[in-house]
Amino acid sequence: QKEVEQNSGPLSVPEGAIASLNCTYSDRVSQSFFWYRQYSGKSPELIMSIYSNGDKEDGRFTAQLNKASQYVSLLIRDSQPSDSATYLCAVRTSYDKVIFGPGTSLSVIP
Amino acid sequence: DTGVSQDPRHKITKRGQNVTFRCDPISEHNRLYWYRQTLGQGPEFLTYFQNEAQLEKSRLLSDRFSAERPKGSFSTLEIQRTEQGDSAMYLCASSWQGDTQYFGPGTRLTVL
Repeated sequence: QKEVEQNSGPLSVPEGAIASLNCTYSDRVSQSFFWYRQYSGKSPELIMSIYSNGDKEDGRFTAQLNKASQYVSLLIRDSQPSDSATYLCAVRTSYDKVIFGPGTSLSVIP
Repeated sequence: DTGVSQDPRHKITKRGQNVTFRCDPISEHNRLYWYRQTLGQGPEFLTYFQNEAQLEKSRLLSDRFSAERPKGSFSTLEIQRTEQGDSAMYLCASSWQGDTQYFGPGTRLTVL
């Protein structure tokens, strides 16, 4: 089992819809979780971090964490064409190392 | 600009040559990470430093790869005897302790 897995893409949603991105991780002791956005040819940029079970909202983005299920998700409301990118889930493991998932490519169709 | 910087941004080399990349982290950050990313994949962990100490190196990393952070500030990543499979984007990130990592623009390596 890979340490961090994400739902396979590409994911296509119409403009204005909700995009749902999922991530599971294998290290039960992990405490810190991050979502990054990466545009083609660019480096990853942080969208949100989450540390506690439940929801965390920031503008159009909501991160959800369920440590019992070892699951973290990112919802993007009112999706815009500018949200088209690859979304990377990252987990800080019990070894204090940050592991990235393979990414999910999102395409928002105008 | 006080973000993470990397140099060079692009490097083209011939198979068998040695290459060295530099990363300058955000000044107040004590941790510095190196990742490698190939097309369609997430960043793959290579190694990280806390101050000048190299705390971990990926088991996947061959002995041709070495990294240093001699004064706890900038870091260098050297690849000896490059192979075509080394072609990738090399990303550097920094953080304060294990908190959020901030990435530099990356160095794209092409091995001919």
